[in-house]
Amino acid sequence: RKEVEQDPGPFNVPEGATVAFNCTYSNSASQSFFWYRQDCRKEPKLLMSVYSSGNEDGRFTAQLNRASQYISLLIRDSKLSDSATYLCVVIGTDSWGKLQFGAGTQVVVTP
Amino acid sequence: ETGVTQSPTHLIKTRGQQVTLRCSSQSGHNTVSWYQQALGQGPQFIFQYYREEENGRGNFPPRFSGLQFPNYSSELNVNALELDDSALYLCASSPGGGDTEAFFGQGTRLTVV
Repeated sequence: RKEVEQDPGPFNVPEGATVAFNCTYSNSASQSFFWYRQDCRKEPKLLMSVYSSGNEDGRFTAQLNRASQYISLLIRDSKLSDSATYLCVVIGTDSWGKLQFGAGTQVVVTP
Repeated sequence: ETGVTQSPTHLIKTRGQQVTLRCSSQSGHNTVSWYQQALGQGPQFIFQYYREEENGRGNFPPRFSGLQFPNYSSELNVNALELDDSALYLCASSPGGGDTEAFFGQGTRLTVV
């Protein structure tokens, strides 16, 4: 079983719609969680950290469910520029600084 | 821009050859990590350097080795290249600490033929 799992998609979303997807992690001792965005053939860029209480950054909302060991990302009012692969990242307490990536969820926003 | 630069951006090597990839970390960052990203996969942790010492290693064979220099820049060396080594190699720098944000360079795309 992979340590971090994501639905690869693609999620085809009409412009202006809402899309949400999850990421599950296997290590219950995981401590830090992030969403990164990666455009085709480019480097990953931090989208947002995920806090226990959940957090929002503009149109993006991230949630953490420790009991069920998953994090989620919701994008409201999708823009064409939101088309990308969204990478779930987990850091465990026993893996100092080592980012564990999921394989990514592809989102395609259509006009 | 993240301030993390990698060179070269693209490289083609023949199976069995050796390659060195380079990374300049962001100013003030003392930690550099290297990742391998195969097509359609998420980045996989290779190893991390903190203040010139290896500080953690992923599931990669010994032919993957690295260095960090006093200015915190870093090299990734791969010996005896195999076809499966073809991937995007990403360098990430961070200011230290276990769970701080990592900033990625643009990557080196290595093709082994």
